[in-house]
Amino acid sequence: ETGVTQTPRHLVMGMTNKKSLKCEQHLGHNAMYWYKQSAKKPLELMFVYSLEERVENNSVPSRFSPECPNSSHLFLHLHTLQPEDSALYLCASSPRRTSPSDTQYFGPGTRLTVL
Amino acid sequence: EDQVTQSPEALRLQEGESSSLNCSYTVSGLRGLFWYRQDPGKGPEFLFTLYSAGEEKEKERLKATLTKKESFLHITAPKPEDSATYLCAVQVLKNYGGSQGNLIFGKGTKLSVKP
Repeated sequence: ETGVTQTPRHLVMGMTNKKSLKCEQHLGHNAMYWYKQSAKKPLELMFVYSLEERVENNSVPSRFSPECPNSSHLFLHLHTLQPEDSALYLCASSPRRTSPSDTQYFGPGTRLTVL
Repeated sequence: EDQVTQSPEALRLQEGESSSLNCSYTVSGLRGLFWYRQDPGKGPEFLFTLYSAGEEKEKERLKATLTKKESFLHITAPKPEDSATYLCAVQVLKNYGGSQGNLIFGKGTKLSVKP
């Protein structure tokens, strides 16, 4: 596998379920990101990890819980979601996070539907 | 407030009909401007980074330019396979931590090229 991979690609869950999204990067990068992409809206940054430490949480509700066990893996744990949380969740990675030369590379996304 | 606006929201072209997409930005200080291409159901694919006014970059039928207030993505003699949503993002200068390095995205321009 190369680049940034995400699993599952599609997920349907009820509001009382607990599920997790997984992201893996094979690029040797030190920064990883979770974004939410909803229809007609710009990509919204949710969380940023740098060297496995969470460095930013953009006022995301606590029903979203990120985890970064090492620099190659990133998880997004979901529980008691709302229908408005239905969206495409994108993972990205970059060599570092502060320089524009550190391009962010995106995974294919997980299409989440909350019933 | 830092802001990125893309226009038009959607653009329909005939194959071979050249045109331009616009990305205007209002930011406190620009570190870099990024163009991405996104196909339906997929993650954004990196195209270009521009760092300073007057800079231009080209890739096949695409050419990106940058001024102090906006960027253009020029598409010359487009083909149906150029159909996608094109996203613009800026990385801003910040004197405080946390947000440094983060990207601010526009809503994108959906391009359709008919044969």
